[in-house]
Formats: sequence, C-alpha cells, structure tokens
Amino acid sequence: DVKVTQSSRYLVKRTGEKVFLECVQDMDHENMFWYRQDPGLGLRLIYFSYDVKMKEKGDIPEGYSVSREKKERFSLILESASTNQTSMYLCASSYHREAFFGQGTRLTVV
Amino acid sequence: GNSVTQMEGPVTLSEEAFLTINCTYTATGYPSLFWYVQYPGEGLQLLLKATKADDKGSNKGFEATYRKETTSFHLEKGSVQVSDSAVYFCALSDHDTGNQFYFGTGTSLTVIP
Repeated sequence: DVKVTQSSRYLVKRTGEKVFLECVQDMDHENMFWYRQDPGLGLRLIYFSYDVKMKEKGDIPEGYSVSREKKERFSLILESASTNQTSMYLCASSYHREAFFGQGTRLTVV
Repeated sequence: GNSVTQMEGPVTLSEEAFLTINCTYTATGYPSLFWYVQYPGEGLQLLLKATKADDKGSNKGFEATYRKETTSFHLEKGSVQVSDSAVYFCALSDHDTGNQFYFGTGTSLTVIP
C-alpha cells in the first residue's frame, strides 16, 4: 500500500514563527501536492511539485513556500505564521492520475 | 478552466436509505474523475474513479458513472449504513493541466440508525 506520512497530526504555533510541515511518501511518486482544507471551501492547492527541486504555485501560495530536495519528501514552510493560516493541511502524492493523501496536520496559530 | 461543483450539505439520511450526491465538472481536456471520502480526523481516501466517458466506478456499494454529455459524475448508493457517515469529495484530474487535481467543496453525510 502507498503510504503518505505527515510529520504531525496536531501543531500549535505562535504568530510570527517559521513553521515546517513535512510530508514523506514511500512509492517513488514524482508528483506531490500541498492543500489546505477549510470548512465550506473544500481543498485549495497551495503548491505542487513534479520532481526534485521543482515547484509550482497553486491557487493560494501567498505566505507559503515549499522545498523538495529529495523525491520522497515535500516540505511546506510558513515563513511567518499568521492566525489566518490556522487550518487543516493535507499532503498528497500522485501516480497515473490517482492521488494518495496523508492523514493531515491540523495547525493552530495563536 | 477546470472546476468541480458538488451539492452542498450537510445531508442526513436514515440507515438503508438511498444516497445521491450530485457532482458536475468543467474541464479543458479529457479528465479522470474521482470520489474521495474523508472520515472524521483522517485524510482523504480514494473511494472510486472513472477515467473515460461512460465508465462506471464502484466500490463498497457506491457507484458513479462518467457522463460526458451532462458533465456529471454523481455518487450513488442503494442502502447507506451508519459507517458511511463521512465527507465526500468529487474531484477531477486533467493531463492538460499537468495532472493537477481539482476538488469540490465536499458534502457531509450523516447516517442515523
């Protein structure tokens, strides 16, 4: 089975902190994605990556950056966390048009 | 562009009732279509998929048919169970936009005994 693992289930950070959300997949997938999920808004794409060191902006990249130094790992970085970034963050990898999701990280910024 | 519209919830049904969750899409190319399910506190899991027109995806008693003429992919189940309570997301993936996925806003289903 494909496994996508996010480093934390729950995270509480302070406004202004730099926050790292880590995601690792074990199936050598080239494509990886970061989404945030908010009530009534569904999933919104933040960034995605087709390959190592490649990244593309999604629909809502402002306030975020990403890093993909190794194929299996895709990190989401909040440069200076703000309260409006409190959300559920979902990582996914994909192969042949099928996406596999991690369990999600619920981030609260206080 | 690409987008997915699904019926708003929440939906509450009694056990053994018939379920339909409507989903329509717009796409620039030839998308694959998916239904994902999210149980409380979890990430999304693939429920079923269809990759071309007239394909029917099915899993765990759920079905959806890829209708190109109506640009729809409605989810159905003949007899829901309490364990089906979850949020359901319709999604598409389009080669022409680099295999990005586009999701609907989700429909929350609660099944009561």
